[in-house]
Amino acid sequence: AQKITQTQPGMFVQEKEAVTLDCTYDTSDQSYGLFWYKQPSSGEMIFLIYQGSYDEQNATEGRYSLNFQKARKSANLVISASQLGDSAMYFCAMREVYSGNTPLVFGKGTRLSVIA
Amino acid sequence: DAEITQSPRHKITETGRQVTLACHQTWNHNNMFWYRQDLGHGLRLIHYSYGVQDTNKGEVSDGYSVSRSNTEDLPLTLESAASSQTSVYFCASSPGGSGELFFGEGSRLTVL
Repeated sequence: AQKITQTQPGMFVQEKEAVTLDCTYDTSDQSYGLFWYKQPSSGEMIFLIYQGSYDEQNATEGRYSLNFQKARKSANLVISASQLGDSAMYFCAMREVYSGNTPLVFGKGTRLSVIA
Repeated sequence: DAEITQSPRHKITETGRQVTLACHQTWNHNNMFWYRQDLGHGLRLIHYSYGVQDTNKGEVSDGYSVSRSNTEDLPLTLESAASSQTSVYFCASSPGGSGELFFGEGSRLTVL
């Protein structure tokens, strides 16, 4: 069974500093995808970044990067140069890709607060 | 632009009433999903569909049903609403493969 663990219910970071949000996962499948979503206070779910299990390089999207350590089964999100607008809930999610259609399973989320 | 819309965005109902939350997407995606979001639980999967006439139960399907009569719509029905079903409900769709989920704006349901 799939499982996503986000051990940090809440985090604080100073504006312009980098922050790492932790995510570990558990799967017996060899082919899977890892996702991060952002949910600001307005409530919408915003896709941030994707990492495939066979991707050799860590995914990056602007100020977001995914620190993928396959052997440790971790997929931490790194946000560089934090901005006040980064304050939000962040969810890690995983889908097993063997059939291409497995539903996404989400972690419980981490609430990030950026301090001026 | 293609989009996914949910209605109503807010609803208050009474225990025991039947409630239907609508979800409509114009992405032409085969895959559609319903999640509920509760504090401390993240997003939990209720039901999902991989195409017309296909429906599958998720982690928290008890008390909910869905039907898929066309590609665009996946309505979620609460047969007899309970206070434990007070939550924010998200509909999402995806094109399959390793593609991301596209989420609706959410529907906040309160059961009194």
